[in-house]
Amino acid sequence: GAGVSQTPSNKVTEKGKYVELRCDPISGHTALYWYRQSLGQGPEFLIYFQGTGAADDSGLPNDRFFAVRPEGSVSTLKIQRTERGDSAVYLCASSSRLAGGELFFGEGSRLTVL
Amino acid sequence: RKEVEQDPGPFNVPEGATVAFNCTYSNSASQSFFWYRQDCRKEPKLLMSVYSSGNEDGRFTAQLNRASQYISLLIRDSKLSDSATYLCAVNEFSTLTFGKGTMLLVSP
Repeated sequence: GAGVSQTPSNKVTEKGKYVELRCDPISGHTALYWYRQSLGQGPEFLIYFQGTGAADDSGLPNDRFFAVRPEGSVSTLKIQRTERGDSAVYLCASSSRLAGGELFFGEGSRLTVL
Repeated sequence: RKEVEQDPGPFNVPEGATVAFNCTYSNSASQSFFWYRQDCRKEPKLLMSVYSSGNEDGRFTAQLNRASQYISLLIRDSKLSDSATYLCAVNEFSTLTFGKGTMLLVSP
C-alpha cells in the first residue's frame, strides 16, 4: 500500500527477550520517526532519522533501545532485554518537506512484555 | 524536551453542541502547530494545521495565541463521529511533541 507499514502488528514476548520492530515508510519520505504510546498517553518521541542518520535520538529511554535505517528507507527499532514497562504501542511515522511538517503514522506495533 | 499540556477530559457533549479544547506549550521558539485526531486503537491522523492567523475547515476552527502560548480547537455542531481523542502537537527542531490528548464523547 501507499501508507506507512509496520510489522508485526502485535508482539508478545517474555521479560528479558530481544525484540525487533520494523517500519516501511511512505516511498520518497526522507524523514522517519519512532514514537511510543502507552494507554491514556500521547505519543512519546523516541528517535528521528533524516535519511540514514539519526538526527535526534534524545527520546530513547536507555541503551536497551536502538534503531537503524541503513539504506534510508526501512527502519528497525531494536529493544534488548525487554522489561514489562516496555509494553506499549510503538508508532512509526514518516514525512517529507513537501508535506509541511505533517507526520503520516503507521498503525503501530503493539508490544506486550510478560 | 519541552512540555505540551492538554486537559485529558473526557468531554461529554450532546450532538449539535459546540466544544472547545485548549493546549498549552512551554517552548516559545516552537514554530508550527497541529491538531491530530486519534480513534480508539488507531494511529493518529492529522486533523488540521494551526496558523498564526487562525484557520477554519468546515465545522473545525483552530487558533494560535503565541503571547499566551496556547492553541485551541473549536468544533461546532458536534457529530457522533467526532468522538475520538484530539492530540495537539508542537514542532520543535524537526520533531513533533504531542500532548496526552483530550477525549471527546458525543452522545445522541
